[in-house]
Amino acid sequence: QQQVKQSPQSLIVQKGGISIINCAYENTAFDYFPWYQQFPGKGPALLIAIRPDVSEKKEGRFTISFNKSAKQFSLHIMDSQPGDSATYFCAARVLTTGTASKLTFGTGTRLQVTL
Amino acid sequence: DVKVTQSSRYLVKRTGEKVFLECVQDMDHENMFWYRQDPGLGLRLIYFSYDVKMKEKGDIPEGYSVSREKKERFSLILESASTNQTSMYLCASSFKTTEAFFGQGTRLTVV
Repeated sequence: QQQVKQSPQSLIVQKGGISIINCAYENTAFDYFPWYQQFPGKGPALLIAIRPDVSEKKEGRFTISFNKSAKQFSLHIMDSQPGDSATYFCAARVLTTGTASKLTFGTGTRLQVTL
Repeated sequence: DVKVTQSSRYLVKRTGEKVFLECVQDMDHENMFWYRQDPGLGLRLIYFSYDVKMKEKGDIPEGYSVSREKKERFSLILESASTNQTSMYLCASSFKTTEAFFGQGTRLTVV
C-alpha cells in the first residue's frame, strides 16, 4: 500500500509560473516531512522540510504548506525556472528503533519548466 | 560535504547470479538505507541498518539481504538475481534522525 500519495505524476509549467505538487499521508506517527529533488543521473537531495507543528515553511522560491488535520502537505515553487526541471519526491519520516528513523517516499512528480 | 559512494553506476548481470551492491559513506552516520527506484513507484525501502551488524527489513525485502560489518559500509545482496530486480538502486545514510544523503545510484539490469 502507498503510505504517501503524491500527485500529479508529471507537471509542465511555464517559466515564471507556480508549480504545485501535493502529497497526502495516513500514518499519524510520521513526524517530519521532507521534499527531495532529483536531477537525471543523480541521487535525490533534500530541498526543504517541515515538522507537523508548523503550517508553512518558506525557503527562497520554495514553500511547503502543511495541513495536519487533513493529513496533506504540498510544495509550491514560485517563479519556476527551467533549472527547476527535475523529479520531486515528498517523503514522511517515522521513528523506528531507538533514535533510528526511516523515510517513506511518494511516487514522484516529474516537473518540466518551459521557456 | 557528505559523500555516499556506490561502487558501480551500471551493472549487467545474468539471471541466477549472486550480485553485490556496495555503498560507503564518509560521515560516520549510524543509519544506512537501500532503496530501489522504479518509474511510477517512487523510492521503496528494501532494508536499513541503524548500527553495525544491525538491520531491519523495509517494505520490499524479498529476494534481498544486506550486510553491515563496518559502520561506513552497507552492502545489498541479491542472492539469485531475477529480471524483476532490474532497477535503479539508491543507497543513503543519515545521522540519527537528521537528513538522509543519497548516493548517485546503481542501475542494475538483469538479463
